[in-house]
Amino acid sequence: GAVVSQHPSRVICKSGTSVKIECRSLDFQATTMFWYRQFPKKSLMLMATSNEGSKATYEQGVEKDKFLINHASLTLSTLTVTSAHPEDSSFYICSARDLPGQGNEKLFFGSGTQLSVL
Amino acid sequence: QQQVKQSPQSLIVQKGGISIINCAYENTAFDYFPWYQQFPGKGPALLIAIRPDVSEKKEGRFTISFNKSAKQFSLHIMDSQPGDSATYFCAASTPSGNTPLVFGKGTRLSVIA
Repeated sequence: GAVVSQHPSRVICKSGTSVKIECRSLDFQATTMFWYRQFPKKSLMLMATSNEGSKATYEQGVEKDKFLINHASLTLSTLTVTSAHPEDSSFYICSARDLPGQGNEKLFFGSGTQLSVL
Repeated sequence: QQQVKQSPQSLIVQKGGISIINCAYENTAFDYFPWYQQFPGKGPALLIAIRPDVSEKKEGRFTISFNKSAKQFSLHIMDSQPGDSATYFCAASTPSGNTPLVFGKGTRLSVIA
């Protein structure tokens, strides 16, 4: 099946620094990628929808200047947490859709990134 | 507004028993209903999914039952095993190439020997 690779799996950083998380579709082209945030024992909260070659669409309450998303190619989307603070500590998950217009039947998730901001 | 309501929040089942997790939705435009399994520190993995044109779908020990009129769907795990212990999320989406999934709040399943 299709694979979505997310890197790094875990990152610890100091407050005020920026962290970049990569999401790659390994064997398919992903025109749409989604970024989620998940707090412990909670559900996935959609942060933004990323379409290749265009600006990401952010959900209400998500700061676009804080969480920079770049989807420069059909196989790579990045999420950069800028000037990270302890409250940004969370589990971040990306997902990518195989075949445009095919809905969510071809949606695959990355393995997640645990961000800890000290 | 929670578009997909999932219950129970947690579930403990004896090994060999049946685990049942329920979800209800409001949006009649939803036409795709997947279940995801998530282990700690990992991303969700698609377990099984159903569309409203069928009332039941079975894959191995996992079965989805779908009741369109009641706007409810459920996951049944037969012969539950300790390895099934995980968090399960139901989800739903509308017909669109770019519509994101709407997730339930999750059910933490523990299968005890």
